[in-house]
Amino acid sequence: GAGVSQTPSNKVTEKGKYVELRCDPISGHTALYWYRQSLGQGPEFLIYFQGTGAADDSGLPNDRFFAVRPEGSVSTLKIQRTERGDSAVYLCASSPYPGGGPLHFGNGTRLTVT
Amino acid sequence: GEDVEQSLFLSVREGDSSVINCTYTDSSSTYLYWYKQEPGAGLQLLTYIFSNMDMKQDQRLTVLLNKKDKHLSLRIADTQTGDSAIYFCAETPGGGATNKLIFGTGTLLAVQP
Repeated sequence: GAGVSQTPSNKVTEKGKYVELRCDPISGHTALYWYRQSLGQGPEFLIYFQGTGAADDSGLPNDRFFAVRPEGSVSTLKIQRTERGDSAVYLCASSPYPGGGPLHFGNGTRLTVT
Repeated sequence: GEDVEQSLFLSVREGDSSVINCTYTDSSSTYLYWYKQEPGAGLQLLTYIFSNMDMKQDQRLTVLLNKKDKHLSLRIADTQTGDSAIYFCAETPGGGATNKLIFGTGTLLAVQP
């Protein structure tokens, strides 16, 4: 079946603008995760959804970052007043198991803030 | 705190075995994972091991877990040029209740023909 889908694959925006990044998880997966990967680093956890609710948002760096999952499927990561330091690859992952088992990752959205 | 460490780079010749090492900090991690990332691509799950096991073999891949030393390794037998990629290990701290993965910085494996 289809894997985790992320759109757009690339996004270039100017400093100060607002961006939205979308994630379509694997059908039926209740757990959804957002990670951020900077160049030369491993992925860093941002936020975890179980169903519609954010069960753990401890990785969001500041209040410019927000994510929603209103119907328990598609999720949107929203970044306000983007800064050059926000440039990274944003990865989404899903899992059918909230308490264990592997995460399935999408190919990511490469965000460049100029 | 939560920290996963890996060596940055490993170079091997095609046909040799590769061993990639990882140390983690949270002894309550339930699962430990190995992911592969090719240039410009997302993370591909390679294999994982449950914390009550000390070895898992899956075709050319062998995972060894030493819980006492909090050390995890991935052995790739008969390494091929297609194995060239960055390999990440990841732990699930806090007993894995949320399945939040903490990743290492990755090991770049370069396979010489």
